[in-house]
Amino acid sequence: DAKTTQPNSMESNEEEPVHLPCNHSTISGTDYIHWYRQLPSQGPEYVIHGLTSNVNNRMASLAIAEDRKSSTLILHRATLRDAAVYYCILRDDQGAGGTSYGKLTFGQGTILTVHP
Amino acid sequence: KAGVTQTPRYLIKTRGQQVTLSCSPISGHRSVSWYQQTPGQGLQFLFEYFSETQRNKGNFPGRFSGRQFSNSRSEMNVSTLELGDSALYLCASSNGQGAGTFGSGTRLTVV
Repeated sequence: DAKTTQPNSMESNEEEPVHLPCNHSTISGTDYIHWYRQLPSQGPEYVIHGLTSNVNNRMASLAIAEDRKSSTLILHRATLRDAAVYYCILRDDQGAGGTSYGKLTFGQGTILTVHP
Repeated sequence: KAGVTQTPRYLIKTRGQQVTLSCSPISGHRSVSWYQQTPGQGLQFLFEYFSETQRNKGNFPGRFSGRQFSNSRSEMNVSTLELGDSALYLCASSNGQGAGTFGSGTRLTVV
């Protein structure tokens, strides 16, 4: 599985935007970029995913570089409930005959602290 | 709709014993994946079941096994428990494609 690199930690103030970066220089053409987050004492929660184009949903936006070697998760207005560990994951959603859908390879993630 | 249910939430076992953990997926989801989370190793993939067949397996010893029933419920078993098996065990279900939904996990402590 292709490797991702994220900062160990980031801090933000409440109601400010947060940009969480992820580098994935060895990404392959069939790798989708997935973001999950894990709140304290909970299992990981899906946030967003994309392949090439920028994506938006009710939780966040995903900006993908043109060469796909990096991406940024954007929380438009951070709240205290957004404090979590954010994981950037690459998954081959098209290759291997669809046999890799259930496997997510987590890195160490970014610990996001939100200050009131 | 109901989420992914894992039972029990907490478990304490003694070294050498075996343990069985249960995961009930979201209704209609046929894929169940299991993960181990420890402070030192983070989240690691154990295995995935789809329609009662193991479809993918992580790099864990044979003491870790699982199965899936016809109703998609899954169990994982760890035999001959070691202290290092103390961890949060998470399962995730999906419809076979796309994102998985995780349960809250089973916290296993081996003493």
